Parts: sequence; structure tokens; C-alpha cells
Amino acid sequence: QKEVEQNSGPLSVPEGAIASLNCTYSDRGSQSFFWYRQYSGKSPELIMFIYSNGDKEDGRFTAQLNKASQYVSLLIRDSQPSDSATYLCAVITGNTGKLIFGQGTTLQVKP
Amino acid sequence: SAVISQKPSRDICQRGTSLTIQCQVDSQVTMMFWYRQQPGQSLTLIATANQGSEATYESGFVIDKFPISRPNLTFSTLTVSNMSPEDSSIYLCSVEDPGLLTDTQYFGPGTRLTVL
Repeated sequence: QKEVEQNSGPLSVPEGAIASLNCTYSDRGSQSFFWYRQYSGKSPELIMFIYSNGDKEDGRFTAQLNKASQYVSLLIRDSQPSDSATYLCAVITGNTGKLIFGQGTTLQVKP
Repeated sequence: SAVISQKPSRDICQRGTSLTIQCQVDSQVTMMFWYRQQPGQSLTLIATANQGSEATYESGFVIDKFPISRPNLTFSTLTVSNMSPEDSSIYLCSVEDPGLLTDTQYFGPGTRLTVL
């Protein structure tokens, strides 16, 4: 079992829709969870992090964390073509304290 | 967040040669990290570089192949030694921003390496 798992996609949504990106993790002791966006040919860019159960909103982005289910998600409201990128879920695991990345989900927002 | 630069941004090298990648930060940071991102893959941590101590390497990565220097709190280098085509990857440095709530990593622009 991978430590951090994401559906590689591609996830295709129409412009203006809500994009939902999901991530599961295996280490129940994990404490901090991050979403990075990576455009093709560019380095990862931090979107937001979450560490408490529930929702955290930042503009059009909402991160959701459910530690009991070991599940973290990212919702993008009013998706724009400029949101088309690979979204990387990353977790600071409890057993190593290191940042572990999922394989990423490719999002395509179609005009 | 800190401004991070890497040199070179890309290079094409011959097998058997070595390349040193530089990472410069505009502020002092304790923790710096080196990652590799192979084509179509996610990020894999190579090593953690702390100033004043030897780098700590992850499983599958050895100092002879990826020697790292960390001479001060704003600079680090990663050398890819005796390169083979399998070393063709993007190499990324990151820095840790310790926060009250959690430690956050920010990435440099990366070095795209092609080995022929």
C-alpha cells in the first residue's frame, strides 16, 4: 500500500464547475496535509495546508480533512482553464516526520 | 515565503559525467531538501541537507552518487555523479518554513537534466 494515494486522472470538468480531488493516506499518525499545484514544466506550488478535521477555505479552494477515514480532498469552485494542472497531495507522516507525495491528479478544465 | 533559485535551469549531459546543481535562498533556512521527479512521476526525496552536518539520505540514494554540500544557511548543492540516462529527471530543492501550526515546504524552480 502506498503511503499517499491519488487517482492519477485525468479529471475533466467544464469551466465553472466544481472539481473534486481526492487523496488517502496510510499512516494514521499523520498530522499535516498539503495540496500543491504543478503546471507542466514547472515546480510544485503550495496551494494550502490543513491539519484539523473539517474544512478550510481559501478563495475558490476548500481543503477537507477526515482523519478517521484517512482522507483529504481539495475542492476547486468555479473551475477555470487556468486551473488545469497536476495537483499533488502531500502528507507529513507521523512515523517519519517527512513530507510524502502522492502521484498527483491531472485536472483538465475545458472551456 | 522565501525566494528560491536554482542553477542551471536545465542541462544536457553525457553519460559518465557529473553535474552540480546549486540552490540559493534569499533568507536563512535551517532545513533544505533535494527531490527528484522522474518523467511522469511524483516527487521522491533524495536527502535532507542541514547546515553544519552531513546530509541524510533516503533509502535508495547514496552519498557517492548524490553528494550534497550545505556550506551555510542560504545555499546548497547537489551533484549527480557518473550519470546515466536513468538519471534524467527534474531535480528540485525545497526549503522548510517552520510555522506555529505546521512546517511548510516551498520549492525552487527545478533543474531539468537530460543524460544522453
